[in-house]
Amino acid sequence: GENVEQHPSTLSVQEGDSAVIKCTYSDSASNYFPWYKQELGKGPQLIIDIRSNVGEKKDQRIAVTLNKTAKHFSLHITETQPEDSAVYFCAATTGNMLTFGGGTRLMVKP
Amino acid sequence: GAVVSQHPSWVICKSGTSVKIECRSLDFQATTMFWYRQFPKQSLMLMATSNEGSKATYEQGVEKDKFLINHASLTLSTLTVTSAHPEDSSFYICSASGNPTYEQYFGPGTRLTVT
Repeated sequence: GENVEQHPSTLSVQEGDSAVIKCTYSDSASNYFPWYKQELGKGPQLIIDIRSNVGEKKDQRIAVTLNKTAKHFSLHITETQPEDSAVYFCAATTGNMLTFGGGTRLMVKP
Repeated sequence: GAVVSQHPSWVICKSGTSVKIECRSLDFQATTMFWYRQFPKQSLMLMATSNEGSKATYEQGVEKDKFLINHASLTLSTLTVTSAHPEDSSFYICSASGNPTYEQYFGPGTRLTVT
């Protein structure tokens, strides 16, 4: 089955700096890669996604890149704000089955 | 659009009792619903997948007789934790997918505490 590795597990940045979270996956059949933000005590919220036929996607301060050959994808958050502090999960989808990475706890210090 | 609700948001029950958690897709028809469990500081682990009108498919290691899943309509799935024990205490999250099938929308989760 699919295996998704996510790094780093924790990330602390100063407000205004950029944050980068990286994931690798194992199943070349995976073709959809969503990123979720989870705040304490809440369910995951989709923040951006990318399909396998696209190399990069951007939505305001958030961008995702995908390298299918290397089987890795990354989340980039620019101009971080304290409200960006949360746990972020990457995921890879094969068919309709999601496999999550282990999560990254992002702390943005004001 | 694509809103999923869960009820209750939290529940405390005594060991040996059963608890039912509801998951509803509010503005779309969910052909497939998923149930996840999340322990503190860990990732989401898929428990089972259910399609409307069919029996659920359980992941390896998940007891189907303990975690009863019913997906009776395109907007409602229920998870019943039977004979709950303290080790069943966890955060249970459902998700739903419709069209396209690869997009999953998550509910807000249910915190279960078994005393």
